[in-house]
Amino acid sequence: GAGVSQSPSNKVTEKGKDVELRCDPISGHTALYWYRQRLGQGLEFLIYFQGNSAPDKSGLPSDRFSAERTGESVSTLTIQRTQQEDSAVYLCASSLSPNEKLFFGSGTQLSVL
Amino acid sequence: KQEVTQIPAALSVPEGENLVLNCSFTDSAIYNLQWFRQDPGKGLTSLLLIQSSQREQTSGRLNASLDKSSGRSTLYIAASQPGDSATYLCAVKDSNYQLIWGAGTKLIIKP
Repeated sequence: GAGVSQSPSNKVTEKGKDVELRCDPISGHTALYWYRQRLGQGLEFLIYFQGNSAPDKSGLPSDRFSAERTGESVSTLTIQRTQQEDSAVYLCASSLSPNEKLFFGSGTQLSVL
Repeated sequence: KQEVTQIPAALSVPEGENLVLNCSFTDSAIYNLQWFRQDPGKGLTSLLLIQSSQREQTSGRLNASLDKSSGRSTLYIAASQPGDSATYLCAVKDSNYQLIWGAGTKLIIKP
């Protein structure tokens, strides 16, 4: 595709359920980031993938959060046992290399009831 | 620890004016600096990226400058239009390849 694609665009779930968010980066982009943005707040770094290197997981807020990326393709962010404070927009971004422009997807709006 | 500050937090100007948004950072050891805009309820759009070896980048009515030694970048918007209304964010890629974000400047262009 032409841009970074995220799905679903909206997800409503009940507290305690697991959710999986998907990101399709631009083809050929080696770097992939996940961010969280709560309403009216700034971007919160979650995790960074660069090629086949070990991911930088330093931003994951708890062990309920995990992410995977297969090679340089799709990434999934999984939140287990969701809590109301997990409600936010989850943004994915990719770049051709670590030093190139970053392109964002439109995000997944997650609402935990 | 790298910190990025954007001033002002909000700015409202009449249409047609030229304006400058500021971004400052505390550690000059950066790989690049990038300016983004975010429209309400949407993702971020990259505007300009300046590599650490560059002094400025231009795209249309936008010009971004970088002064690493003083830890400053400016985004100049010429002949502002209502469609320029958005939140503008700057982000610095530090020596660990981490992106450090400013809190943004919310810009409103009044018709």
